[in-house]
Amino acid sequence: GAVVSQHPSRVICKSGTSVKIECRSLDFQATTMFWYRQFPKQSLMLMATSNEGSKATYEQGVEKDKFLINHASLTLSTLTVTSAHPEDSSFYICSASGTIWGTDTQYFGPGTRLTVL
Amino acid sequence: DAKTTQPNSMESNEEEPVHLPCNHSTISGTDYIHWYRQLPSQGPEYVIHGLTSNVNNRMASLAIAEDRKSSTLILHRATLRDAAVYYCIPHKRALDMRFGAGTRLTVKP
Repeated sequence: GAVVSQHPSRVICKSGTSVKIECRSLDFQATTMFWYRQFPKQSLMLMATSNEGSKATYEQGVEKDKFLINHASLTLSTLTVTSAHPEDSSFYICSASGTIWGTDTQYFGPGTRLTVL
Repeated sequence: DAKTTQPNSMESNEEEPVHLPCNHSTISGTDYIHWYRQLPSQGPEYVIHGLTSNVNNRMASLAIAEDRKSSTLILHRATLRDAAVYYCIPHKRALDMRFGAGTRLTVKP
């Protein structure tokens, strides 16, 4: 299957700072990438859909000015958590979609654990 | 989006088969049935998908009911590395994919 990487895998920052997370599709070109957030013991929640060269589409309740998404190339999308606060501490996961046998399949990165002190 | 119902948790013994059920009675005719799993502290990984016919790959088998309102993921011989949360997600477009609570599988040695 396709490989998606994320960097960093873990980050600890102080409240009020901004953190950038990179998501790369290593062996295929991803027109669409997705960003998810997962709190402990919970399922993944879709935050936004990112299309190369255009503005991201955010899910209801996700602040677009707080979670800045840039998808400048077919292999790279970035999520910037601006002015992070402790409640933003979570596991952030990206994915890239590809089509297999007539349907879209998502390939996920390993995740980034963000801790805001 | 098709609503899914999966058991919250299941247990299996190592080396034994595991059948993970999923009900998706509101599935549309064009939705494929996808299964993903998430190992602890990792991103989800694709397991298998199908439309109407049963499917096999190196990881698992997928049995789809004739009316497509339910499906079963079959792990033929569970190993400790199969302990994960398994998600059944009917969809066609990636844009429509949403995660439910899934089934947490525990494998006992």
